[in-house]
Amino acid sequence: QKEVEQDPGPLSVPEGAIVSLNCTYSNSAFQYFMWYRQYSRKGPELLMYTYSSGNKEDGRFTAQVDKSSKYISLFIRDSQPSDSATYLCAMSARSGTYKYIFGTGTRLKVLA
Amino acid sequence: DGGITQSPKYLFRKEGQNVTLSCEQNLNHDAMYWYRQDPGQGLRLIYYSQIVNDFQKGDIAEGYSVSREKKESFPLTVTSAQKNPTAFYLCASSIVGGGYTFGSGTRLTVV
Repeated sequence: QKEVEQDPGPLSVPEGAIVSLNCTYSNSAFQYFMWYRQYSRKGPELLMYTYSSGNKEDGRFTAQVDKSSKYISLFIRDSQPSDSATYLCAMSARSGTYKYIFGTGTRLKVLA
Repeated sequence: DGGITQSPKYLFRKEGQNVTLSCEQNLNHDAMYWYRQDPGQGLRLIYYSQIVNDFQKGDIAEGYSVSREKKESFPLTVTSAQKNPTAFYLCASSIVGGGYTFGSGTRLTVV
């Protein structure tokens, strides 16, 4: 079993829909969580960075962490065709660590 | 503007050749990383460095080598010992405990 699991997709939604992207993990020590967006043939860019449980909002993006279920989510409101990309989650157990464990990514397609 | 520059964008390697991928950052980040990305496997850590003149092996270091002579630079050499080098290579940097900033990647193909 991988430490971090992500559904690879593709996930296709109509423009304007609310998108839910998820990761599950097995290591209960994880407490630092990140979401990245990666366009085709480009490097990933950091979208959200959260610590422990709870929600964090930034514009149309909301990151949610449920440590009791070992489950994290990224919600995208009013999705746009420009949101079409692969979304990667990453997580770590320690503060000050240099190493994060990445999920394999979920490919999202937002249809105009 | 601060960022990470990877070069070249595309690289072709013949069998038995060593090739070097460049990574330079002007973010004043202490830590730098090399990841390999293959379809369906996500990002796998090759090497990372926390300070100048020091680096550690990641999960798939065999067939690769690095150096960290300057804070800004972390080149990766893919040696002939790496039997399946065709992949997308990503360099990243960070401050302690911070999120990664990635470069735009180098696509390496064996010909």
